[in-house]
Amino acid sequence: EAQVTQNPRYLITVTGKKLTVTCSQNMNHEYMSWYRQDPGLGLRQIYYSMNVEVTDKGDVPEGYKVSRKEKRNFPLILESPSPNQTSLYFCASSSQNEKLFFGSGTQLSVL
Amino acid sequence: AQKITQTQPGMFVQEKEAVTLDCTYDTSDPSYGLFWYKQPSSGEMIFLIYQGSYDQQNATEGRYSLNFQKARKSANLVISASQLGDSAMYFCAMREGGSNYQLIWGAGTKLIIKP
Repeated sequence: EAQVTQNPRYLITVTGKKLTVTCSQNMNHEYMSWYRQDPGLGLRQIYYSMNVEVTDKGDVPEGYKVSRKEKRNFPLILESPSPNQTSLYFCASSSQNEKLFFGSGTQLSVL
Repeated sequence: AQKITQTQPGMFVQEKEAVTLDCTYDTSDPSYGLFWYKQPSSGEMIFLIYQGSYDQQNATEGRYSLNFQKARKSANLVISASQLGDSAMYFCAMREGGSNYQLIWGAGTKLIIKP
């Protein structure tokens, strides 16, 4: 089944404790992206990647890191999470000119 | 300037009625695509329908259709015979021709279907 797998689904952590949200797709998509969703603000792009070893900042990259060492994986790293990073996070992927496929989301709470 | 505008933050509609969710866009690119996604309370993002700027016909997918008015730069989603399960957030998004991948998102409309 074609899918984007994102883990964990829920995560509660404390300020400053490094965390990684994993994202993997099985559709051989070139493009992968991370969004955060906050009430009233819609989806805002954090980082995206056009292919292996190619990553670019989105609209709200501060406080986040990503890597794309393999085509299928695109982890999101928060080196030192802060409470303002409490949000719902989505990973998504697509091939050229196709719709975006989304993961099921990660609800992150930073205390 | 907003590139994608969804003017209705929230809507209440009676079950079985048709619903129109508004979306206007702004681009100078002649080639672009418009997407609608649904986000139920469970949180996942579900693709509904796509319209390309050069498509001659309005897109339809089951009970969903897209009322594409190019001159007015609007791409409204129409849901016929609404059901309780249609209650969700709905997002409009645009991909401009210069980008093969990137989507620009509207702020969303929260739709509630009343029984």
